[in-house]
Amino acid sequence: GENVEQHPSTLSVQEGDSAVIKCTYSDSASNYFPWYKQELGKGPQLIIDIRSNVGEKKDQRIAVTLNKTAKHFSLHITETQPEDSAVYFCAASPDSNYQLIWGAGTKLIIKP
Amino acid sequence: KAGVTQTPRYLIKTRGQQVTLSCSPISGHRSVSWYQQTPGQGLQFLFEYFSETQRNKGNFPGRFSGRQFSNSRSEMNVSTLELGDSALYLCASSFEGTYNEQFFGPGTRLTVL
Repeated sequence: GENVEQHPSTLSVQEGDSAVIKCTYSDSASNYFPWYKQELGKGPQLIIDIRSNVGEKKDQRIAVTLNKTAKHFSLHITETQPEDSAVYFCAASPDSNYQLIWGAGTKLIIKP
Repeated sequence: KAGVTQTPRYLIKTRGQQVTLSCSPISGHRSVSWYQQTPGQGLQFLFEYFSETQRNKGNFPGRFSGRQFSNSRSEMNVSTLELGDSALYLCASSFEGTYNEQFFGPGTRLTVL
């Protein structure tokens, strides 16, 4: 079955700098890769997703890149702000079994 | 429109007891998924229901069960509680399933003493 590894587990960056979180997956059949952000006391919220027919997707300060050959995908946040502080989860899914496999999460800390 | 609601928000039980958690999805959503979240373990998939049918199940023992009603509301039940069942239980709804955006509720924090 699918396995998703996420690194780093904690990331501390200076406000205004960029942050990059990386995930690798094992199942080459996976073709949907969402990223979720979880703030304290709340459930996760989708921030961006990518499907296997594209290599990169951007939404303002957030971008996701996908390398299907190497089986890894990354979340890039530019010009980080205090409100970006949260736990970020990546996930992967082959659309055949209706299940998302999640990474262990990255705690992002934005230092003022 | 109203978001996903989960009740209760907090629950304290003792070992051996059973518990039922409830989830009301966003109106019009037919898929409800349940997750267990523990520190350092991320989100572990429990099961997904779509139109009252369980479509997929994670690797949890049979003590964990669920169901979905005709109005898409879902319940999960844990019998014979163990200390290791202490966790945040999250419910997520979506229109078609996990291949689309999932909307999460705030979770139910279960503590087993």
